[in-house]
Amino acid sequence: QVTLKESGPGILQPSQTLSLTCTFSGFSLSTYGMGVGWIRQPSGKGLEWLANIWWDDDKYYNPSLKNRLTISKDTSNNQAFLKITNVDTADTATYYCALTTEGISDYWGQGVMVTVSS
Amino acid sequence: DIVMTQTPSSQAVSAGEKVTMSCKSSQSLLYNENKKNYLAWYQQKPGQSPKLLIYWASTRESGVPDRFIGSGSGTDFTLTISSVQAEDLAVYYCQQYYNFPYTFGAGTKLELK
Repeated sequence: QVTLKESGPGILQPSQTLSLTCTFSGFSLSTYGMGVGWIRQPSGKGLEWLANIWWDDDKYYNPSLKNRLTISKDTSNNQAFLKITNVDTADTATYYCALTTEGISDYWGQGVMVTVSS
Repeated sequence: DIVMTQTPSSQAVSAGEKVTMSCKSSQSLLYNENKKNYLAWYQQKPGQSPKLLIYWASTRESGVPDRFIGSGSGTDFTLTISSVQAEDLAVYYCQQYYNFPYTFGAGTKLELK
């Protein structure tokens, strides 16, 4: 059974760095073809793909966030991470991680709400 | 980036109705080497995370009722619900995974008439 769960700080101030953790079970990020993606959704709005990391440590980022994103993984502990630097109120959203195979998001976590506020 | 355009943005339906919603991409999602369309549909109910319904434009995810039907190719895609049930009231998103950045449509919200 595949499960994913996101965790994060809840609230942070503008210009700080947001650190998110995705803890998963039921698959291994060292298995060929497996990936974890991060997607966010501002309240009442649509979905935005942020980044993806693959079993072979290949990484893709959404250029709209320029150089603010860093994705990484800890295969032995079944975790994936996303950092967003220099956050702004526009980064306030629910952040999801998802198991990605061939680009398809088969399973999603429950999401973690992040608020950026001074 | 590939732009995904979904219509309508919202639709009021009655239980038992047939519903269709459209998703158009700004470039073809058909990969000629494997003849697959890199298009998925997700359902998101209030307060829940998105759930995969359809991938490769027309392949139903395991456990998804057969009233959900995905069709289309290239740049034009459709999600049909053959007979809407009350539990189908949700927002439906299409997403292309043809290339990065993966992009979503703005969603079609199904509401009760």
